[in-house]
Amino acid sequence: DTGVSQDPRHKITKRGQNVTFRCDPISEHNRLYWYRQTLGQGPEFLTYFQNEAQLEKSRLLSDRFSAERPKGSFSTLEIQRTEQGDSAMYLCASSLFGGGRNTEAFFGQGTRLTVV
Amino acid sequence: AQSVTQLDSQVPVFEEAPVELRCNYSSSVSVYLFWYVQYPNQGLQLLLKYLSGSTLVKGINGFEAEFNKSQTSFHLRKPSVHISDTAEYFCAVNNDMRFGAGTRLTVKP
Repeated sequence: DTGVSQDPRHKITKRGQNVTFRCDPISEHNRLYWYRQTLGQGPEFLTYFQNEAQLEKSRLLSDRFSAERPKGSFSTLEIQRTEQGDSAMYLCASSLFGGGRNTEAFFGQGTRLTVV
Repeated sequence: AQSVTQLDSQVPVFEEAPVELRCNYSSSVSVYLFWYVQYPNQGLQLLLKYLSGSTLVKGINGFEAEFNKSQTSFHLRKPSVHISDTAEYFCAVNNDMRFGAGTRLTVKP
């Protein structure tokens, strides 16, 4: 397993366009997390899944943001009608939880979004 | 609800000095705690973790942290820092992985 992978690594889009990011977690991990990070700040929690179920979504997340994990494996994060304030690094992480085998979260390299 | 507070946003220290980065948490369930490090222009990597057992946890690069349930703390320590320890350090709690705002450690020669 090569770890958590995110695609694309960089995305430049015009304001108002929709963008979709993909995350492939470590294969046996049942939890998958999405975060947003801006310069000098900590990872801001967006949402997380256990298998295909979305267990929590940040109240700070507007309705323009949606995430899916349809088969409990890869996940997508879509931002509709992008705004300049959406420019950030979007991080995905995965972990194993439950059955006495809890692990830490392993992070991908992130997708850097620039909205112009 | 779970949350993490990192009490110091910036910690400047001289090389070979000891350092402590503070982390306090609130959680209504059993606690798992983590420290991550982010070097400039790099991704997050795990320094150490507390899941159960001994309250003193040793991690990579000579760092250690102590889980203190009564004080709801998980402070990170290193007895002697190097220039290469300059980075952003993040504390995180439990398995929905809430992060603190981070502490920027700057080690000066």
